[in-house]
Amino acid sequence: GAVVSQHPSWVICKSGTSVKIECRSLDFQATTMFWYRQFPKQSLMLMATSNEGSKATYEQGVEKDKFLINHASLTLSTLTVTSAHPEDSSFYICSARDLIRQGANTEAFFGQGTRLTVV
Amino acid sequence: GESVGLHLPTLSVQEGDNSIINCAYSNSASDYFIWYKQESGKGPQFIIDIRSNMDKRQGQRVTVLLNKTVKHLSLQIAATQPGDSAVYFCAEKETGANNLFFGTGTRLTVIP
Repeated sequence: GAVVSQHPSWVICKSGTSVKIECRSLDFQATTMFWYRQFPKQSLMLMATSNEGSKATYEQGVEKDKFLINHASLTLSTLTVTSAHPEDSSFYICSARDLIRQGANTEAFFGQGTRLTVV
Repeated sequence: GESVGLHLPTLSVQEGDNSIINCAYSNSASDYFIWYKQESGKGPQFIIDIRSNMDKRQGQRVTVLLNKTVKHLSLQIAATQPGDSAVYFCAEKETGANNLFFGTGTRLTVIP
């Protein structure tokens, strides 16, 4: 099946610095990717939809200047947490669907997730 | 399991028994549903999906039931095994949209 790779799997950074997380679709082209955030013992919360070649669509309450999304190619989307603070510590997960070949009513493939800890 | 607040509900079953995990959704415009399994520190794994024009779908050891009248989805796991221990999420997609929204989740613990 299709694979989505996310990197890094974990990162520790100092408060005030920025962190970039990469999400790659390995064997299919993803015009759209999705970024989720998950706090311990809670569900996945959709943060934004990343669109190749255009601006991302952010969910209500998600600061677009805080969480910068770039989807420069059909296989790569990046999420940059800018000026990170301890409250940004969370598990960030990306997903993609092979919309081109399989359409919208198909499973979404998820990356391995990135554990961000801001100290 | 019923969802209560922000904390994951839990379900404990004996190895070999059947498990039933429930999910309520609120969007009547949802036309596609997926069950995912998430192990600690990992991304969700696809288990089974169902479209809104169906009310039942079976996979290997798993069955998903969809009741659109009461907006309820369930996942049945037959002969539950220790490897089934994980958090299970239902996810829904609205007609015409591409993004998935996740339910609260249920933590399944299989007792050997």
